[in-house]
Amino acid sequence: SYVLTQPPSVSVAPGQTARIPCGGNNIRYKSVHWSQQKAGQAPVLVIYDDSVQPSGIPERFSGSNSGNTATLIISSVEAGDEADYYCQVWDGDSVVFGGGTKLTVL
Amino acid sequence: QVQLVQSGAEVKKPGASVRVSCKTSGYTFTTSGISWVRQAPGQGLEWMGWIYNGNTKYAQKFQDRFTMTTDTSTSTAYMELRSLRSDDTAVYYCAKDLGRPPHWFDPWGQGTLVTVFS
Repeated sequence: SYVLTQPPSVSVAPGQTARIPCGGNNIRYKSVHWSQQKAGQAPVLVIYDDSVQPSGIPERFSGSNSGNTATLIISSVEAGDEADYYCQVWDGDSVVFGGGTKLTVL
Repeated sequence: QVQLVQSGAEVKKPGASVRVSCKTSGYTFTTSGISWVRQAPGQGLEWMGWIYNGNTKYAQKFQDRFTMTTDTSTSTAYMELRSLRSDDTAVYYCAKDLGRPPHWFDPWGQGTLVTVFS
């Protein structure tokens, strides 16, 4: 089955830009979605279809997808962005999640 | 606004079954699907299956002991997991699903903790 690979952790200082990669074979041909999960809470969709922001999500959240890597980009990072982030695709037969990346705001 | 409210925490013995409900509001229930996702303690997200207009798709890992149903009269989705084992201990989430590929989930329910304990 299709495998999505995320780094376990990413750290960034407040005000800087965080980039969270999600690797998969020819992922550029798939639609990638990203969810944010803060401690003790349910996940929240922050990007769908590679780069579309759902209503209510700040414009600081954006996404890209090319080659074998999709990337969630969070600009002007705030303390409140500290969370686990999961990428997700449909592989033609099932929904696949990446293992998740913990974003730490220094 | 769109809301998904799940039933409360459950404690079950190994071998038992558990049923979790997911009551929806704020949208027309029959125009979207519902996916079920679980998260074991300290672990990542694991998709279990989706249901849309009576059609179901189960993750291969669960298809022998997992059933999803809906009640359109109450806009409620249900999941049942049978033959519970200790490694089924997890938070189970329902999520509003596009109903077709590429299946994004928005929003999610608050989660239901299922503890399997002898």
